[in-house]
Amino acid sequence: TQLLEQSPQFLSIQEGENLTVYCNSSSVFSSLQWYRQEPGEGPVLLVTVVTGGEVKKLKRLTFQFGDARKDSSLHITAAQPGDTGLYLCAGAGYSGAGSYQLTFGKGTKLSVIP
Amino acid sequence: EAGVVQSPRYKIIEKKQPVAFWCNPISGHNTLYWYLQNLGQGPELLIRYENEEAVDDSQLPKDRFSAERLKGVDSTLKIQPAELGDSAVYLCASSFRTSGEQFFGPGTRLTVL
Repeated sequence: TQLLEQSPQFLSIQEGENLTVYCNSSSVFSSLQWYRQEPGEGPVLLVTVVTGGEVKKLKRLTFQFGDARKDSSLHITAAQPGDTGLYLCAGAGYSGAGSYQLTFGKGTKLSVIP
Repeated sequence: EAGVVQSPRYKIIEKKQPVAFWCNPISGHNTLYWYLQNLGQGPELLIRYENEEAVDDSQLPKDRFSAERLKGVDSTLKIQPAELGDSAVYLCASSFRTSGEQFFGPGTRLTVL
């Protein structure tokens, strides 16, 4: 079973501060996805990273995939109240039986205080 | 383009009662997923359909849970009988192909009393 550990579990910061969320695993993934989920809604895909060492930027969000494709980080610069939500990482890969799997971490609940 | 539609959005039932959730995926999406999300947790896959065929149902508790996807479009997830521990959000997602981007519906929040 592939497990993804996210840290921190909860994060409360002031508007304008920077933050980093981590996603770690002992398993190698073919790709890793980051989602953002707001209360009462389903997760929405933010980015997919595929290549080890890959860095992708989405406005104030920077995503990095570890060289060994086992871990990833999400860095938010100058956080805004609109960034508040549950951030989920999900590792994509194929099981031993050849079945495609997307394994989610438990998420990081971010609150940005105005 | 309409997103993934789920109904009902909320459901409150007493234990031992049956309950059903409905999902209409994005038009043209062949793959449909049902996930379970407990409070403070990430989604966990229950079942995945490729068209009308259930290709991964290894995590579906088959003693009380059942699902169907007639004609490879809409899908229904049923629980009978419901237990207190089934209280959670049930998410439906769809994708154009198996390894493609998944689009999630808003979920059905189930409370079992």
